Amino acid sequence: EDQVTQSPEALRLQEGESSSLNCSYTVSGLRGLFWYRQDPGKGPEFLFTLYSAGEEKEKERLKATLTKKESFLHITAPKPEDSATYLCARSVNTGFQKLVFGTGTRLLVSP
Amino acid sequence: DSGVTQTPKHLITATGQRVTLRCSPRSGDLSVYWYQQSLDQGLQFLIQYYNGEERAKGNILERFSAQQFPDLHSELNLSSLELGDSALYFCASSASGGMNEKLFFGSGTQLSVL
Repeated sequence: EDQVTQSPEALRLQEGESSSLNCSYTVSGLRGLFWYRQDPGKGPEFLFTLYSAGEEKEKERLKATLTKKESFLHITAPKPEDSATYLCARSVNTGFQKLVFGTGTRLLVSP
Repeated sequence: DSGVTQTPKHLITATGQRVTLRCSPRSGDLSVYWYQQSLDQGLQFLIQYYNGEERAKGNILERFSAQQFPDLHSELNLSSLELGDSALYFCASSASGGMNEKLFFGSGTQLSVL
């Protein structure tokens, strides 16, 4: 069964305190690994897509990396505006865009 | 703003009732997706349409149905509602629905079944 597991469920950081979020997935048929950000009362917003082990992508204070079994979202020197739920999703091998989402990590960055 | 419009934002109804959720995709996008988000299960894929035709089905109940119209807007119909159907329903769109296209999500419809 296609599964995506995210940890931790919740994370509280002080402003400037760097950390990483984890996303592990079942290995077979991975076609893409996605990271989305979701703010309260809003829909998920696309951040990154990773396709192969060793790939890295960066955007401002965020960097996403991918290994054969998991992906990490590294947050460097976070600011309060980075507070959100971060969702990981995998694209399954079905020929169309079906995403299997994890339940997310709720990040709170305090000033 | 993602460019995807969902109405209504909130819907409160009773068990056994039927409701319709509406979605307008981003300009130029041909594919529309429906997802359900509940606290215990996260985002679950329901169904996908491409240019008016159903392309893929996920965990969609038989009491639920959807369609995409010639102007590309989509509607999700939920009938014989149960308490457990209370959730956030998101619509998303993408250019052609192909593998690994990024999805643009609307702000969702919060459905409360009392």
